[in-house]
Amino acid sequence: GAVVSQHPSRVICKSGTSVKIECRSLDFQATTMFWYRQFPKQSLMLMATSNEGSKATYEQGVEKDKFLINHASLTLSTLTVTSAHPEDSSFYICSAPLPTGGPYSNQPQHFGDGTRLSIL
Amino acid sequence: ELKVEQNPLFLSMQEGKNYTIYCNYSTTSDRLYWYRQDPGKSLESLFVLLSNGAVKQEGRLMASLDTKARLSTLHITAAVHDLSATYFCAVDPLGNQFYFGTGTSLTVIP
Repeated sequence: GAVVSQHPSRVICKSGTSVKIECRSLDFQATTMFWYRQFPKQSLMLMATSNEGSKATYEQGVEKDKFLINHASLTLSTLTVTSAHPEDSSFYICSAPLPTGGPYSNQPQHFGDGTRLSIL
Repeated sequence: ELKVEQNPLFLSMQEGKNYTIYCNYSTTSDRLYWYRQDPGKSLESLFVLLSNGAVKQEGRLMASLDTKARLSTLHITAAVHDLSATYFCAVDPLGNQFYFGTGTSLTVIP
């Protein structure tokens, strides 16, 4: 069935490193994908909406130069955390809207498994 | 600013007891979703509520939606330890853009 695959699941790296997270839609095409960030014991906050073939839409307060989003194909969106610092440590989750109709008519989005980012 | 608030934020209950989690939202939305999140994991879809008065049940969980009151409830019947998790509601007023509730951390004590 329709699945969203997110990699890597865990990243630990030094401050100043850039980290890329991939989000792939399997068995379906996604012109739009969403990137969320979740701090410990908090809710999910939408960071940006990734649009295939065009610029991403960032939520207020999210630095577009720090969180680079690329959606170059209908099945892949990437989030790059540039020059990451300890305050960027968080759980990042992507999601993709599922195709309407068929077996997915009541499941508007499918979430990836998340990426735990730890910056030392 | 759209707000989605859950009550309570933390809930500790004994096995076998019943309880209700509330989700209030501040804008019109005919769609509301409930998710479960286990520690260190992503979201698992529980319920999709697509109209006023919708009620869905799965096992010991039952969810309802009152769009006029902008309120959804998640009722737990005869809680068991396996239900321990964090529960989120989410609304989708504009279509395909989710706004998540504050979350309710549930601990079921044997």
